[in-house]
Amino acid sequence: GEDVEQSLFLSVREGDSSVINCTYTDSSSTYLYWYKQEPGAGLQLLTYIFSNMDMKQDQRLTVLLNKKDKHLSLRIADTQTGDSAIYFCAESILNGNKLVFGAGTILRVKS
Amino acid sequence: GAVVSQHPSRVICKSGTSVKIECRSLDFQATTMFWYRQFPKQSLMLMATSNEGSKATYEQGVEKDKFLINHASLTLSTLTVTSAHPEDSSFYICSARDLRYNTDTQYFGPGTRLTVL
Repeated sequence: GEDVEQSLFLSVREGDSSVINCTYTDSSSTYLYWYKQEPGAGLQLLTYIFSNMDMKQDQRLTVLLNKKDKHLSLRIADTQTGDSAIYFCAESILNGNKLVFGAGTILRVKS
Repeated sequence: GAVVSQHPSRVICKSGTSVKIECRSLDFQATTMFWYRQFPKQSLMLMATSNEGSKATYEQGVEKDKFLINHASLTLSTLTVTSAHPEDSSFYICSARDLRYNTDTQYFGPGTRLTVL
C-alpha cells in the first residue's frame, strides 16, 4: 500500500540550513507536498512539486525530488526560530483524490 | 494561496450530544473537501471525502452514521459528530481541493478541537 516516511525530529541552530527528508512509495503520484503545522493550528501549504520536476525553489525553500529513488527533501535556508513546527510530507494518489501523509518531522530551531 | 475556514475552533460538549463543524472555502469553489482527524503527536487520518451534490466517501473503519457529512454548496461542507462520546474527542481538520491554475492542491482549515465530557 501507500506509505510515506519521514525522520521524526531535527534540531538546528538559528541561521543554519535545515533539510527534512521524505520517502514515498507510489510512483504514480503526480504531486508531492510539504505542509507546516504549528501547535494547535491547521496545516499550512508551504510548497509542492510536480512529479516531472527535479527541483523547485521558493524564497528560502528548496524542494528536491528524486523520482527514481522516490525521495523528496525540503531545505530551509537561514532557518529562523519561527520555522519551529512540524513538517509533513504528502503524496497525492488516486488522481489527486487522496493525500497520504508522513508522520511529520518536528523541527526545533535553537537560538 | 487560498483560505479555508472552520467553525467552531473549539467545542466542549456533554456525552450524547451532537456537534456540527463547518468548513468553508472563502475565496474559491471546491467540489471536493476532505475531513481528517488528528490525534496528539500523530499524523492526519483521512476520515472521508466530501463531494458537492453527492454522498461522501468514507474511509475504511469510519462510521458514516456516526460522522455525518453534508456538502450542500461549492464552498461549504459540514461534519456532524452524532451522539458524541469521550473517545470522539480529537482535533478535526478539513481541507478543500483547489484545481485552479492547472494545479491540484489541498488547503487546510485551522482545525476544530472537540472535547467530549
